[in-house]
Amino acid sequence: DAGVTQTPRHEVAEKGQTIILKCEPVSGHNDLFWYRQTKIQGLELLSYFRSKSLMEDGGAFKDRFKAEMLNSSFSTLKIQPTEPKDSAVYLCASRTGYEQYFGPGTRLTVL
Amino acid sequence: GDQVKQSPSALSLQEGTNSALRCNFSIATTTVQWFLQNPRGSLMNLFYLVPGTKENGRLKSTFNSKESYSTLHIRDAQLEDSGTYFCAAEIGGSGNKLIFGTGTLLSVKP
Repeated sequence: DAGVTQTPRHEVAEKGQTIILKCEPVSGHNDLFWYRQTKIQGLELLSYFRSKSLMEDGGAFKDRFKAEMLNSSFSTLKIQPTEPKDSAVYLCASRTGYEQYFGPGTRLTVL
Repeated sequence: GDQVKQSPSALSLQEGTNSALRCNFSIATTTVQWFLQNPRGSLMNLFYLVPGTKENGRLKSTFNSKESYSTLHIRDAQLEDSGTYFCAAEIGGSGNKLIFGTGTLLSVKP
């Protein structure tokens, strides 16, 4: 079985650009999560979908971050406009019941 | 905040020795997950726990919900055990989500 896939693996953006990160969950998984990981803040939840419905929209991240799940096998995270403080690893995870399974992440650098 | 506190923050072990990592919870949690993030950044599932104990090879984990903590025991540490160990508390509400600890960076030396 294919695990969670994320593209691109690395992204470099200029301040003010729009970037879109992509995630394909494990086939058959109903829940999808987006996280951000930084050295200072650790792992923070950005968004959470259950059967394509948005359950958690990330509170403090609502401003410039928008996650969408257009179908059950594909999700995007848009950051618009990017700022240097957005530099982090963005992780996607999916779940069908209990355990969350993580993708390899996208390392974003904003200059 | 410090809803999930992990200790120690870093640990160095000699190959073949044993150790224990701990998570303390200040939030009500129904289940706990443990992950290992390898040096390449991939998060791998180790355990999913309801209150009780699970064992897998050289790893054993316990979740005590009454005293709000979980432990991960590593027996006969190997070089490939190196990485950052995270525990995460699952909390309910509108949808179950994970609150992560800050991690324990484990370095196993020959």
